[in-house]
Amino acid sequence: DTAVSQTPKYLVTQMGNDKSIKCEQNLGHDTMYWYKQDSKKFLKIMFSYNNKELIINETVPNRFSPKSPDKAHLNLHINSLELGDSAVYFCASSQWDRGAYGYTFGSGTRLTVV
Amino acid sequence: GNSVTQMEGPVTLSEEAFLTINCTYTATGYPSLFWYVQYPGEGLQLLLKATKADDKGSNKGFEATYRKETTSFHLEKGSVQVSDSAVYFCALSDAGANSKLTFGKGITLSVRP
Repeated sequence: DTAVSQTPKYLVTQMGNDKSIKCEQNLGHDTMYWYKQDSKKFLKIMFSYNNKELIINETVPNRFSPKSPDKAHLNLHINSLELGDSAVYFCASSQWDRGAYGYTFGSGTRLTVV
Repeated sequence: GNSVTQMEGPVTLSEEAFLTINCTYTATGYPSLFWYVQYPGEGLQLLLKATKADDKGSNKGFEATYRKETTSFHLEKGSVQVSDSAVYFCALSDAGANSKLTFGKGITLSVRP
């Protein structure tokens, strides 16, 4: 059983389109995250949700909108895609009161905007 | 704010060579420290962790010791294998609830037969 699963694994789309990436975790964790990994492999947090409540919202364009229908799911919707949005997006989860023990990551979604 | 600095890469070693990847950090309080590994085409996996000063994390032959006096968490392995080829990330999180992970830039390790 996959602990943190993301779909799709690959996404190729044209500039200006709107797309969504889905994430689900079956670990019973109450906190979920989106990270962006750029072409140089640098990882930066974008958002985190705890029990469906937005906790962290780093400096991210408002074209990016996370949505958490329940604590097992955190989706990422991106409007008006730009070339610079091309990256690998990782979902992760953890338990709020055990954040110091690390996260569990999904396998990533490689987004390519052409 | 918190930050993590890793040595510049990439690193190329021969099989059975000794590996050291340097990592230093800046943080307030007493963070937890981690090494994550990303194999080609995959997501990040937790390799090892240490949650307080002088703790040693270990896994799969890799080790790292939490050194508060030098604010370091260097990763070592006595004899690398080709299968260790991957990107390695040092990271920290503040102690307590809702701890955000802050990553270093990552370093690519290539091990040749």
